[in-house]
Order: sequence, then C-alpha cells, then structure tokens
Amino acid sequence: KNEVEQSPQNLTAQEGEFITINCSYSVGISALHWLQQHPGGGIVSLFMLSSGKKKHGRLIATINIQEKHSSLHITASHPRDSAVYICAASSSNTGNQFYFGTGTSLTVIP
Amino acid sequence: DTGVSQNPRHKITKRGQNVTFRCDPISEHNRLYWYRQTLGQGPEFLTYFQNEAQLEKSRLLSDRFSAERPKGSFSTLEIQRTEQGDSAMYLCASSLSSQSYSPLHFGNGTRLTVT
Repeated sequence: KNEVEQSPQNLTAQEGEFITINCSYSVGISALHWLQQHPGGGIVSLFMLSSGKKKHGRLIATINIQEKHSSLHITASHPRDSAVYICAASSSNTGNQFYFGTGTSLTVIP
Repeated sequence: DTGVSQNPRHKITKRGQNVTFRCDPISEHNRLYWYRQTLGQGPEFLTYFQNEAQLEKSRLLSDRFSAERPKGSFSTLEIQRTEQGDSAMYLCASSLSSQSYSPLHFGNGTRLTVT
C-alpha cells in the first residue's frame, strides 16, 4: 500500500466544470504538497499546506489533518489546466523525504 | 530566477554503457533530491543530500547507481552498466532546510532511454 493515495487516476472534464482531486495519506506529515506536471516532464509546485485552505487564482487546496485527507479543486476549468496533478507528503521523521502519489491525469475538453 | 537546471534533457544510450546526469539546484538551497519517474507513476525517491552529505539512499538504488554532491552545490547521478529497466525520467529537486516547511523545486528532468 502506498503512503499516499490519489483519486481519481484519470479525469476528463468539459471546459468550465468544477474539478476535485483527492489525496489520502497514511504517514505523519510536516506538509502536504500539490504539484502540477505538464507533458515533457516539468513539475511545478502549486501549493504547500499543513492546515486549512489555500487559494491561488482558480485553484483551491484544502487539508484535513485529522482525516489525513487533502483535496485540490479547480474552478471554471480550462483546457490549459490539462496536466498531471501529483500529491506529495513530506515527513520530517524520515529526513524530510517526500512520498508521492501516482498522480491524476486531467484532460479538460473545450 | 534560474530555477533547478538539469542536463542533458534527453539521453539515449546502449545497454551496458555508463551515463552521468547533472543537476544544478537553486543556489541557496542546501537540500538536493534525486527521483526517478516512469510512465503513469509518481516520482520514486532515490537519494537526497544535505549540503555535500548524502543522508539517505533508497533501497531501490542498486550498486550501479551512485550520486555525488562534492561541494554542496551541483550534483551528479551516474548509472553504470545501464539496463533497459533504467529507462525513465530522472528528476532533481531542491529545497531549503532552514525553513520549517520548505517547498520542493523541480528541474525539468533528464529522460533516459536505454536501447
């Protein structure tokens, strides 16, 4: 069993739809990260959070520490949001090693 | 902002050859990580450095893999006697350990194809 589980694995949405990607983790964490990876490999850090909620433009990330669960929401989705979204948990107990989910591949259709 | 730089972007090699990749982290970052990613999977941890010290190494890393960070700045990852199973994207990331919660900054990766 992976320390970090994401769902769904693949997601196709129509432009404008509200999108939710879920992440559950089993390790004790110091922070939870949401990353975006476009075709070609480049990975960009979207959010790092340890509690509550963060918002950046159309992206919102929430975390529930008690339930060990985080969600990434995209409002008014656009084709340029098409990418792989990866959840990663960092644990200071293991030299700050990061545990990665397998990613959610999002395709937004015009 | 120069970001994390990796070279080369692509490497095609024949089985049995040695390859070396380079990572230049963000200059003030003292932590440097190497990950490997195969299609459809999230990054797998390989090893990490704090300054020049290699503090952790994954059990996934066979004896054919070695990483160095001699001056605590850039790092190299060498794979000896490459095998087809080594074909993957090799990602480097850096962070600053002095911050309580430090985000990872990734390079664009080196895609290795072993034929």
